[in-house]
Amino acid sequence: NAGVMQNPRHLVRRRGQEARLRCSPMKGHSHVYWYRQLPEEGLKFMVYLQKENIIDESGMPKERFSAEFPKEGPSILRIQQVVRGDSAAYFCASSPEGLGVEQFFGPGTRLTVL
Amino acid sequence: TQLLEQSPQFLSIQEGENLTVYCNSSSVFSSLQWYRQEPGEGPVLLVTVVTGGEVKKLKRLTFQFGDARKDSSLHITAAQPGDTGLYLCAGEASGGSNYKLTFGKGTLLTVNP
Repeated sequence: NAGVMQNPRHLVRRRGQEARLRCSPMKGHSHVYWYRQLPEEGLKFMVYLQKENIIDESGMPKERFSAEFPKEGPSILRIQQVVRGDSAAYFCASSPEGLGVEQFFGPGTRLTVL
Repeated sequence: TQLLEQSPQFLSIQEGENLTVYCNSSSVFSSLQWYRQEPGEGPVLLVTVVTGGEVKKLKRLTFQFGDARKDSSLHITAAQPGDTGLYLCAGEASGGSNYKLTFGKGTLLTVNP
């Protein structure tokens, strides 16, 4: 049973470009969470999604950031017009249910904005 | 806003020594989780503690949840180089948004052979 998959593992973008980060949850998991880890900071919750639904996006910046988890395919975290401050490690986690269930993390995508 | 403070931030010890790292908050959590993260990888769950005063053992690792469910500790006995890594605690909030884990900044442990 494969774990949470994220790709790409490393992504380099120039300021103003778009970044697309993909996350495939563990088999049988229908809940996905995205976290961001800035240098010298702890992981911060960004968004919680179920298939075709955004449940809680309270941790996601209101502008330039969006997330989706379609019926088919991976969850996508999209960052438009990236800025240097977006450079961070972005982690996806999944769980089979929502409340009070352990989350399993992927290896992360390291985004570098030049 | 719930915050988790971890101490020490950095810890470098020799193989065979014992150590304790701490995770403290002024907030109550319904549960606390401990993760280990290696460079370039995601956090890997070690244990979840749920009940105030609970103690869980995982081989040489002992985890304790404070009676008031505001703090936790991780004790490692006879540390080995393979224990090297970033140890993170994460709190699960009470109520309807307990999926929103709050992470501490971590303790970076280095065990020297």
